[in-house]
Amino acid sequence: NFMLTQPHSVSESPGKTVIISCTRSSGSIASKYVHWYQQRPGTSPITIIYEDSQRPSGVPVRFSGSIDTSSNSASLTISGLKTEDEADYYCQSYDNGRWVFGGGTKLTVL
Amino acid sequence: QVQLVESGGGVVQPGRSLRLSCSASGFSFRSYAMHWVRQAPGKGLEWVAVISYDGSKKYYADAVQGRFTISRDSSRNTLYLHMSGLRAEDTAVYYCARSETTDYFGYWGQGALVTVSA
Repeated sequence: NFMLTQPHSVSESPGKTVIISCTRSSGSIASKYVHWYQQRPGTSPITIIYEDSQRPSGVPVRFSGSIDTSSNSASLTISGLKTEDEADYYCQSYDNGRWVFGGGTKLTVL
Repeated sequence: QVQLVESGGGVVQPGRSLRLSCSASGFSFRSYAMHWVRQAPGKGLEWVAVISYDGSKKYYADAVQGRFTISRDSSRNTLYLHMSGLRAEDTAVYYCARSETTDYFGYWGQGALVTVSA
């Protein structure tokens, strides 16, 4: 079984760009899609990136996803930060009958 | 629009059982696999179980294997999670979620809080 490791927290100022990483412990990051969820306090998660880099309708283009096989990691990039982006962000992937989440990253926009 | 509404949460003593329900609407329930995902207070998301679209396949996280049972009734558009032998560490908000073809959670319910305490 693999794990997905995310930074516990990140912070950045409004208008700036932040990158949240998600590193896979074993097996190739490219072997299965990586997906990203946003969870604002007191609410259910929502999908913001699926299949490594696809945005569901309604998700702003400020959100983008990518994978890097050299570091075996995925990244969520949020540009033009807004205060409303302050939330917890989770990466997720799948393998062999197991759905795995990263530990989550708390984004503070200050 | 897709709606998932969980019910059945509450306070239960250690060792007892509880059944959660998730009522689905706005899509063809019988065509989708469905999941349960939980979140302990102040903690991250943890996948719990999945059931295939026709109920023929079920997979569980190691932490609940042998204690929890996922099932569905497509005539009622309802997903269930029967939890037995509950432990304090099962205390969490339990979400039902629709599975998408590339193994992600496309839609989530609002969650049901289960508290295991004497």
